[in-house]
Amino acid sequence: AQSVTQLDSQVPVFEEAPVELRCNYSSSVSVYLFWYVQYPNQGLQLLLKYLSGSTLVKGINGFEAEFNKSQTSFHLRKPSVHISDTAEYFCAVSKAGGGADGLTFGKGTHLIIQP
Amino acid sequence: NAGVTQTPKFRILKIGQSMTLQCTQDMNHNYMYWYRQDPGMGLKLIYYSVGAGITDKGEVPNGYNVSRSTTEDFPLRLELAAPSQTSVYFCASSLTGNEQFFGPGTRLTVL
Repeated sequence: AQSVTQLDSQVPVFEEAPVELRCNYSSSVSVYLFWYVQYPNQGLQLLLKYLSGSTLVKGINGFEAEFNKSQTSFHLRKPSVHISDTAEYFCAVSKAGGGADGLTFGKGTHLIIQP
Repeated sequence: NAGVTQTPKFRILKIGQSMTLQCTQDMNHNYMYWYRQDPGMGLKLIYYSVGAGITDKGEVPNGYNVSRSTTEDFPLRLELAAPSQTSVYFCASSLTGNEQFFGPGTRLTVL
């Protein structure tokens, strides 16, 4: 079984400042990793994913994340945030190679952008 | 391409009532999922399906039932609603079982 820990439930950041949202996972098998974003009263939208290859992955809206196998981490970063980035961000993991088990999600981090 | 659609958007139920949450996808995905989202708890998997006629339990299946008679549809049934089932429900689909596409959600309140 896999588990995901998002270390911060809430992260306040000033507009145009950089941000890092932390995610650590635990698994006895190889995994795929995902970051999803949820805007208020909406469903989840995929930001980026790591399946294999380069450990630095770039996603939509200027976000990127780095897979670190030794530290079992997949932190999300953006160099300069905008007020429209205010949302809930979820890190998720699945067994590598696909399968029906679904995603295991972290509890989410609420990113609050202050003007 | 509508993606994943869910109905209704909102619903209030009384304890003991039953209802079906509808989910349809038009991407010809074999994998479909139902999650519930509770505040501060992330998403928990209720049921999943790998294709028409095949369903299986997820992490929190008690109080729910599903069916999958077609590739497109994956309804979730609540037979005897309880206050503990107050939540936001998300349906998702996937081509490979990895990247999942989510519907807009159904907000259910049981009073």
